[in-house]
Amino acid sequence: KNQVEQSPQSLIILEGKNCTLQCNYTVSPFSNLRWYKQDTGRGPVSLTIMTFSENTKSNGRYTATLDADTKQSSLHITASQLSDSASYICVVSAHNQGGKLIFGQGTELSVKP
Amino acid sequence: DAMVIQNPRYQVTQFGKPVTLSCSQTLNHNVMYWYQQKSSQAPKLLFHYYDKDFNNEADTPDNFQSRRPNTSFCFLDIRSPGLGDAAMYLCATSRVITGLPTNEKLFFGSGTQLSVL
Repeated sequence: KNQVEQSPQSLIILEGKNCTLQCNYTVSPFSNLRWYKQDTGRGPVSLTIMTFSENTKSNGRYTATLDADTKQSSLHITASQLSDSASYICVVSAHNQGGKLIFGQGTELSVKP
Repeated sequence: DAMVIQNPRYQVTQFGKPVTLSCSQTLNHNVMYWYQQKSSQAPKLLFHYYDKDFNNEADTPDNFQSRRPNTSFCFLDIRSPGLGDAAMYLCATSRVITGLPTNEKLFFGSGTQLSVL
């Protein structure tokens, strides 16, 4: 069964600190993996997209890694800001399954001053 | 500038009263999706259009219908809303089907929060 598991479920950090969010998946055949940021009451916003051949991608203070062998991804946030408080969602798509994306449950990040 | 626009941001309807949510895009993307997201849950795909081809998910209730009159617009019709249909409804677009091994982005609108009284 295609699944995406994220950890931790929630995380509280102090402003200025770094953090790493984890994503494990069992989706096969793997097509691509996306990280999204979703503010409360808003639609998700794309942070990174990685295909099978890519093992790291950065977007400003966000760096995603992908290990397609172990089926794990991480999202590292550097020098956190209050505006980073949001839900971070890992999304994986399987090849040749049309528009279907498999969403993780998200990690709720809270950055405190 | 917003590229995927959903109206309204908040919609209140009565139990059983038909309601239509709208989505428009300025990206000229081929694919438009509708997702349902309940509180603290992951978005759930209801259906998608590839151009004019409609693709319904197997577990999407018949109560949910969609129309795409042209490339730019897509509508979600809920024929007889129940209390369980209260949720955030997200529209998204992409140039190609997201299942391809591609770096093509999926763009989401800000969503419509539907309340059913």
